Amino acid sequence: KQEVTQIPAALSVPEGENLVLNCSFTDSAIYNLQWFRQDPGKGLTSLLLIQSSQREQTSGRLNASLDKSSGRSTLYIAASQPGDSATYLCGGTSGSRLTFGEGTQLTVNP
Amino acid sequence: DAGVTQSPTHLIKTRGQQVTLRCSPKSGHDTVSWYQQALGQGPQFIFQYYEEEERQRGNFPDRFSGHQFPNYSSELNVNALLLGDSALYLCASSTSSGSYEQYFGPGTRLTVT
Repeated sequence: KQEVTQIPAALSVPEGENLVLNCSFTDSAIYNLQWFRQDPGKGLTSLLLIQSSQREQTSGRLNASLDKSSGRSTLYIAASQPGDSATYLCGGTSGSRLTFGEGTQLTVNP
Repeated sequence: DAGVTQSPTHLIKTRGQQVTLRCSPKSGHDTVSWYQQALGQGPQFIFQYYEEEERQRGNFPDRFSGHQFPNYSSELNVNALLLGDSALYLCASSTSSGSYEQYFGPGTRLTVT
């Protein structure tokens, strides 16, 4: 059974800081890993998808890496902005179903 | 492209009642998954539909049932509502081939009183 853990649970940083969010998973047979952003009371917005054959993906100020052997993924956010404040969720796909962590609540202070 | 749509946006029901939530997948997608997200937690997988059949199911009781229509849209039904069923219900769509990347709708907020 896949289990996903995200650390830290909450993070508060000043604007402009670079930061790293961590995600670990127990089943290395994941098909892919997705990072999502969720604003309060809203649905999930897909940020990055890393397929099992890939090591990393980049989109603008975001970079996500995947290490299946260690069961870890990281999301790197460069030059953080107040608009980045949200909850970030990682999800691993096994057998076409997503298993999520509980998320990291990020606050970027102006 | 309208993306994944869900209705209604919000719903208030009483314990013991039944509820139906609806989802239309992103254009070109044939697979629909449903998730329950309690406040402050990550989404939990309920079940997935493909070719009008339930393909996978998470650890949810039989009170939770679903359906997929020929146009790939889907419904989630919950019977005998409990207070603990209060949550954000998320629908996600994907294709049966390729990366299995899932796209989520805005969710339906269900409150059971």
